[in-house]
Amino acid sequence: DTEVTQTPKHLVMGMTNKKSLKCEQHMGHRAMYWYKQKAKKPPELMFVYSYEKLSINESVPSRFSPECPNSSLLNLHLHALQPEDSALYLCASSQDRGDTEAFFGQGTRLTVV
Amino acid sequence: GESVGLHLPTLSVQEGDNSIINCAYSNSASDYFIWYKQESGKGPQFIIDIRSNMDKRQGQRVTVLLNKTVKHLSLQIAATQPGDSAVYFCAENSGGADGLTFGKGTHLIIQP
Repeated sequence: DTEVTQTPKHLVMGMTNKKSLKCEQHMGHRAMYWYKQKAKKPPELMFVYSYEKLSINESVPSRFSPECPNSSLLNLHLHALQPEDSALYLCASSQDRGDTEAFFGQGTRLTVV
Repeated sequence: GESVGLHLPTLSVQEGDNSIINCAYSNSASDYFIWYKQESGKGPQFIIDIRSNMDKRQGQRVTVLLNKTVKHLSLQIAATQPGDSAVYFCAENSGGADGLTFGKGTHLIIQP
């Protein structure tokens, strides 16, 4: 199984809502990542977890809150988002932090209204 | 500014021809340079990487060239197929501390 599964695939939320994005991998990878990708732009790193501990937070606003409940799961909790936060949110994993080969999920297409 | 980038946003080639996608980078400290492919509606997919102390690496139908003198990276795809249509991103990995830093992307279009 070389898949990274993200749910939901699409999400529309209001600016006062609270929602969560979920990511799961069963490859035994110890590093997991959240990226944000705007239309026609490259993915931008948001968070890195290594061995279930947050190791990098790329100055992301606090309205985005990551959580790593165990080595297979990664969540991104969303609260009080702005319309400019609308984007494709990609989860990825790699064997170890810093590996060049990361496996990406299909992403969650988020629209904030 | 970005430490990796690409020269052309779109590249159109005939099916069966070879294609070359280029990338310029500015961070000489990167340990690895990587190419990813992103098809419509999917996440990026690893293609090939090259360590900074190498100048060429070959995979299946793909070759990556690294010119450190001019800080240039290229991906050559031989005998392009319809399935090669995608956006191609170069990326760098700065020695294990961070995730990947992606360049702007080139949309490769394969003409029948």
